[in-house]
Amino acid sequence: DAGVTQSPTHLIKTRGQQVTLRCSPISGHKSVSWYQQVLGQGPQFIFQYYEKEERGRGNFPDRFSARQFPNYSSELNVNALLLGDSALYLCASSPGTYTPYNEKLFFGSGTQLSVL
Amino acid sequence: GIQVEQSPPDLILQEGANSTLRCNFSDSVNNLQWFHQNPWGQLINLFYIPSGTKQNGRLSATTVATERYSLLYISSSQTTDSGVYFCAVGLPGGGADGLTFGKGTHLIIQP
Repeated sequence: DAGVTQSPTHLIKTRGQQVTLRCSPISGHKSVSWYQQVLGQGPQFIFQYYEKEERGRGNFPDRFSARQFPNYSSELNVNALLLGDSALYLCASSPGTYTPYNEKLFFGSGTQLSVL
Repeated sequence: GIQVEQSPPDLILQEGANSTLRCNFSDSVNNLQWFHQNPWGQLINLFYIPSGTKQNGRLSATTVATERYSLLYISSSQTTDSGVYFCAVGLPGGGADGLTFGKGTHLIIQP
């Protein structure tokens, strides 16, 4: 079975532009989370979605938004890009069998976003 | 928010050596996971271990929740073990805050 897949793998944007990142969870997984990893740091939580509803949000500005589709795939949108948004964006999925929380997370390979 | 501290920050070992990585956290948790990030950026889940001890081949982990720490043991290190090891924790009461990651331990295994 395929793992968590993310697209694109790399992306270069300029300041002020908008970007959409995509994620497909492991088949059967209902929960998707997004994390931002700046070089040299651990990943930082952005959003969690479960059954198409936002269940958690980290300390990120409103320029960041996300959604989950009926097939449980997800998109992360970032508007008005800043230089500081340059990072590796990671998507993770978990089964969501009994709860979307406290489950083992499986990460994709990430999207490397560079803002110039 | 909860604080997660990992030690040591860097570790250089020869192939075949054993190592112990530590994760301290500042509050009660009901979710603790260890990850290995390889040089290509892929995060691999090693253990889901909010309490107790687990083993998987050359790797084992122990979490003492009452004392707020977890240990990851790597035995007979191989060069492929190189990378960054992260500890991540989640708070009781739900996942609205997601997992909080430490800054990681950068492990280099030399042949």
